[in-house]
Amino acid sequence: DQQVKQNSPSLSVQEGRISILNCDYTNSMFDYFLWYKKYPAEGPTFLISISSIKDKNEDGRFTVFLNKSAKHLSLHIVPSQPGDSAVYFCAASGNQFYFGTGTSLTVIP
Amino acid sequence: NAGVTQTPKFQVLKTGQSMTLQCAQDMNHNSMYWYRQDPGMGLRLIYYSASEGTTDKGEVPNGYNVSRLNKREFSLRLESAAPSQTSVYFCASSEAGTGWDERPQHFGDGTRLSIL
Repeated sequence: DQQVKQNSPSLSVQEGRISILNCDYTNSMFDYFLWYKKYPAEGPTFLISISSIKDKNEDGRFTVFLNKSAKHLSLHIVPSQPGDSAVYFCAASGNQFYFGTGTSLTVIP
Repeated sequence: NAGVTQTPKFQVLKTGQSMTLQCAQDMNHNSMYWYRQDPGMGLRLIYYSASEGTTDKGEVPNGYNVSRLNKREFSLRLESAAPSQTSVYFCASSEAGTGWDERPQHFGDGTRLSIL
């Protein structure tokens, strides 16, 4: 049973606008949440993380929000750039890392 | 500036053949991991090693064995390959001392394995 879910397989956004990628989880005991970005034929690369004791973490154009009561986190990218086009995975850290199925983001110039 | 290096990048096997996937990291990380990625699914953990000389099962260990040869190298072996093991395999490493904390994993570029 999938402990981390990304229900949107794909998302298209115009360049300069905000991209919002969503992730839901089932286990309230997860300690940390991470976002990874993946280009074709490459491995995932770490983007940003958040501790379960925080509700927001920012790094440049990337902000992750955590809503523990809803077991939901989201990644905001502002402004979106064509180079952001990739597959984004959320992951949760507990007794191991659990990855979502990914959301393919396309930023249209 | 290699990071995590996986070999080979591509491989085609016949059912029943054996193969070892190699992984090496040059970041002096404690923990190393093997994942598989299948269409429509996230990365699933096969095995991990929190330190040299230790290995533990992940979510999908059946049909695989691992060896943590030294701090740098962590290999994954398929003893008798099956078509269900057709997948993209990723190796990763992390500074995490016990395997899982907030420190991110660094991934190699993957091995694309097809079993006929």
